[in-house]
Amino acid sequence: ELKVEQNPLFLSMQEGKNYTIYCNYSTTSDRLYWYRQDPGKSLESLFVLLSNGAVKQEGRLMASLDTKARLSTLHITAAVHDLSATYFCAVSNYGGSQGNLIFGKGTKLSVKP
Amino acid sequence: NAGVTQTPKFQVLKTGQSMTLQCAQDMNHEYMSWYRQDPGMGLRLIHYSVGAGITDQGEVPNGYNVSRSTTEDFPLRLLSAAPSQTSVYFCASSWTGARYGYTFGSGTRLTVV
Repeated sequence: ELKVEQNPLFLSMQEGKNYTIYCNYSTTSDRLYWYRQDPGKSLESLFVLLSNGAVKQEGRLMASLDTKARLSTLHITAAVHDLSATYFCAVSNYGGSQGNLIFGKGTKLSVKP
Repeated sequence: NAGVTQTPKFQVLKTGQSMTLQCAQDMNHEYMSWYRQDPGMGLRLIHYSVGAGITDQGEVPNGYNVSRSTTEDFPLRLLSAAPSQTSVYFCASSWTGARYGYTFGSGTRLTVV
């Protein structure tokens, strides 16, 4: 059974600081997704990581995937208040006919001045 | 393109009532799925479909029914609502293989009293 663990679950940061969110998963998968969710809103796709060693960057966010370690990271550089949200990683359970997303519990990020 | 459209956005049901949550996509995606989101639990898969006429159960299927008569529509039926089904429901779709990620609808916030 595929399980996805994120840590930390809560993260309070100061503006301008750097931090990393970790996403570990339990079985082999080569597809990992990062989403952002603002309160009361839907999920917004941030990154799609499809292979070992994949690295993608958008603004102050950078995501990477190490399939051998079953680990993805979401690195935040010089945080700003607008990044406050809940971030989810999700791994495709590709053992079936079509990968279903298995989600971590999310990391609630709060960026303070 | 409208993307993934969910209706209604909000609903209050009495225990024992039945209702259908609607989900429609206009991207010709083969894969569609329903998730529920509860505080601290992330998103959990209810049912999914890999194409018209094909559906299967996810992690938490009890109390829910689905059908997929067309590529565009994937309704979720609550047969006899229970307070434990109070949640936010998201529909998601993707092309087969999900190399471009999954698109989520705006969600339906359901309260069962």
